[in-house]
This record gives sequence, C-alpha cells and structure tokens, in this order.
Amino acid sequence: GENVEQHPSTLSVQEGDSAVIKCTYSDSASNYFPWYKQELGKRPQLIIDIRSNVGEKKDQRIAVTLNKTAKHFSLHITETQPEDSAVYFCAASIRDTGNQFYFGTGTSLTVIP
Amino acid sequence: EPEVTQTPSHQVTQMGQEVILRCVPISNHLYFYWYRQILGQKVEFLVSFYNNEISEKSEIFDDQFSVERPDGSNFTLKIRSTKLEDSAMYFCASKRQGIGEAFFGQGTRLTVV
Repeated sequence: GENVEQHPSTLSVQEGDSAVIKCTYSDSASNYFPWYKQELGKRPQLIIDIRSNVGEKKDQRIAVTLNKTAKHFSLHITETQPEDSAVYFCAASIRDTGNQFYFGTGTSLTVIP
Repeated sequence: EPEVTQTPSHQVTQMGQEVILRCVPISNHLYFYWYRQILGQKVEFLVSFYNNEISEKSEIFDDQFSVERPDGSNFTLKIRSTKLEDSAMYFCASKRQGIGEAFFGQGTRLTVV
C-alpha cells in the first residue's frame, strides 16, 4: 500500500519568513495530494490540493509543488503569520475513487511573532 | 456551507462497554470514511464505505468495529467492547463521487477509562 512520509515533524519560523514542509509517497498510482491544516482541537481542513497532471499550484500565500518522477510534494507558506500556527498534514490518494487518504505524520508549525 | 457533523463531541466510557459514534455526512456525498487520531499522532484510516458496504478497511478495524448506514443519512461506527487503547479522536469524513476533496467532521473524542 501507499506510504507517505512527512518532514519536518516540527518547524518554528519568525513571522514574515517562509515555511516549507515536504512529503514523499511510494505508490505511483496516487494522483491526488491534499494538504490539511488542523488547529488545536479542531477538524482537519483542506487548505490546498494538487493533482498529478499539475506541477505547481498557488493560492495567495500558499503554494504546493509536485514532482511525480521523484514522488515528492511540498507545501510552501510565504509571509507567515501567527494564525498559520497549526499542524499540517499531507496526504495521498487516488482521485475519483473511494480509496482512502494516506496521511503523513504531520508537521507542527509555530510562527513566532 | 454544508458540513459533516458528528455526535457526541466527547464520549467517556468504561472499558468493555459498547460505544456508537454517529456522523451525518454531507447529503450528496457517496463515499464515507472513519479515521482516528491518537493524541499527538497522525490521522489513521479505519474504514471506507460505499454503496452500502465496506470498500476498504485497515488492520485497526478488527472484529470489534463495525459500521452502518442505517437510514440513508447517518453513518455510525460501533466499537463492541472498548479497550483503553481505543481512546482517540474519531473523525468521520465524506466525499462526493468524482471529486477529490474529503470533508471532515469536527470529531468525537472517545475516552475509555
């Protein structure tokens, strides 16, 4: 089955700096890669996703890149703000099927004001 | 905006007791999932459900677990005889056929004492 690895497990940045979180996956059949943000005690919420026919996607301060050949994808947050502090999970799935989402182990991001 | 809703938000039960966790998925969604998250750890897949039957389950989902969609709107997870290690946050999720994003409920925190 799919194995998703995520690094780093914790990340502290100064407000205004950039944060990068990296994930790798093992199953070449995976073609959908969402990123979820989970604030303390709350549900995971989708912040951005990318499909395997696209190499990069951007939404304001958040961007995701995908390298299908190397089987890795990354989340980039620019101009970080204290409200970006949360746990971020990457996931891999096969889109358009009922297949489960395989989650990474999570990155706890702290933005220091 | 439609949401996945779960009840109760917190359930405390004695070891060996049965618990039923309830979820109301988004109404036009067809794929349903249960995940769990032990405190501080990653989100783990339990089971997926489609067309009134289990489509995939993990090793965690043993004979003590069962799922049901009793009335076309609710989706329940039953744990027959709870163990201390079942203590976790349980998330229900649903997905619309053909669309990648899974929407998560707010979770039920299960505490087994």
